[in-house]
Amino acid sequence: DADVTQTPRNRITKTGKRIMLECSQTKGHDRMYWYRQDPGLGLQLIYYSFDVKDINKGEISDGYSVSRQAQAKFSLSLESAIPNQTALYFCATSDNLNTGELFFGEGSRLTVL
Amino acid sequence: AQTVTQSQPEMSVQEAETVTLSCTYDTSESDYYLFWYKQPPSRQMILVIRQEAYKQQNATENRFSVNFQKAAKSFSLKISDSQLGDAAMYFCAYRDPDFNKFYFGSGTKLNVKP
Repeated sequence: DADVTQTPRNRITKTGKRIMLECSQTKGHDRMYWYRQDPGLGLQLIYYSFDVKDINKGEISDGYSVSRQAQAKFSLSLESAIPNQTALYFCATSDNLNTGELFFGEGSRLTVL
Repeated sequence: AQTVTQSQPEMSVQEAETVTLSCTYDTSESDYYLFWYKQPPSRQMILVIRQEAYKQQNATENRFSVNFQKAAKSFSLKISDSQLGDAAMYFCAYRDPDFNKFYFGSGTKLNVKP
């Protein structure tokens, strides 16, 4: 099983619908992140969390919200999806060492019609 | 916010040849970390190599090596003896030591020709 699991892997929805992307990890890391990938733009940080009580906005948080339900779970919500939120979304974790890299989930491809 | 720039949107290399992917970044920090990630068509993000800024020696992982030029803020990836499985998007990333945030470049798509 993957260390960082995202569900769903693919989702098609309509404008105005509420969508939740879920992420769970078995790596025991405190730090979790949500990124968005668009062609030609690389990965942009939406939200990040360093523990259950610590949640921070990233560069593109407008239109998104998150919930850290437990150390191992970090979900991303789109309250009212719009077409320009069509993208590939990644959840990632890292350890508390400054040398640590990001460990990624397999991505959730979201299409908003 | 830090910026990471990959100026080559797409590159091609012949199988068994060597290719170098470029990356520059902007920071006022002296101690930080740099990474190259690979994203094959499966879309999984895979760590290729890591460099600590305080180390002068360039990192090497098998066929992958970096040319880290701290003063120039340059961090290029060299792939030797290219293989068909190396075809992927490659992302350069910078880790901010103070806020533990990661910043990514826009990526370089590498094609490997048989």
